[in-house]
Amino acid sequence: SAVISQKPSRDICQRGTSLTIQCQVDSQVTMMFWYRQQPGQSLTLIATANQGSEATYESGFVIDKFPISRPNLTFSTLTVSNMSPEDSSIYLCSVGGGSSGETQYFGPGTRLLVL
Amino acid sequence: AQSVTQLGSHVSVSEGALVLLRCNYSSSVPPYLFWYVQYPNQGLQLLLKYTSAATLVKGINGFEAEFKKSETSFHLTKPSAHMSDAAEYFCAVSLDTGRRALTFGSGTRLQVQP
Repeated sequence: SAVISQKPSRDICQRGTSLTIQCQVDSQVTMMFWYRQQPGQSLTLIATANQGSEATYESGFVIDKFPISRPNLTFSTLTVSNMSPEDSSIYLCSVGGGSSGETQYFGPGTRLLVL
Repeated sequence: AQSVTQLGSHVSVSEGALVLLRCNYSSSVPPYLFWYVQYPNQGLQLLLKYTSAATLVKGINGFEAEFKKSETSFHLTKPSAHMSDAAEYFCAVSLDTGRRALTFGSGTRLQVQP
């Protein structure tokens, strides 16, 4: 299984600012995803981070708000831009799912509180 | 499109009692089904997954789940609950076509009473 780390593990930010979250994997992976987990809620997919091309965003999520980079097969960043209190969530990256039924592994998450 | 429904946002059992967490799915093609557990302030950990090899799937920590196509269900069970099982449990589905990301159910919080 892949070992995934995320930085920062948690942060408290002021509204209107931006935060960049890093996701590092210990091996090369094809598929990498970013999810959001709002307080007391389930996980919702934000986007698929594609290596060498623009991320694929889910309905309700836009690149201007959540720009994503994927410079190589072991690293990705998610930026939460112009934050508001509604962005307070846990943000998780996951890897895997490149082949049929392949397990997806999750990072520990970044806990974000926007004041 | 696929979807997952978890019946019961909260389930409470006594220590040593049977654990049953319900999951029903909707999919137009054969699905891959997963159960994940999330302990407080932690990420998600895979409990078990169904990938069509066997309908009864055994996972970690004594959990198992049975895929029933006729009922479109993938319920999670454990014969005897332990205090350490208290956590949030998520059922998820992915398909072999197109979008490979997981679609999650709303989650079930399991409480274990002494």
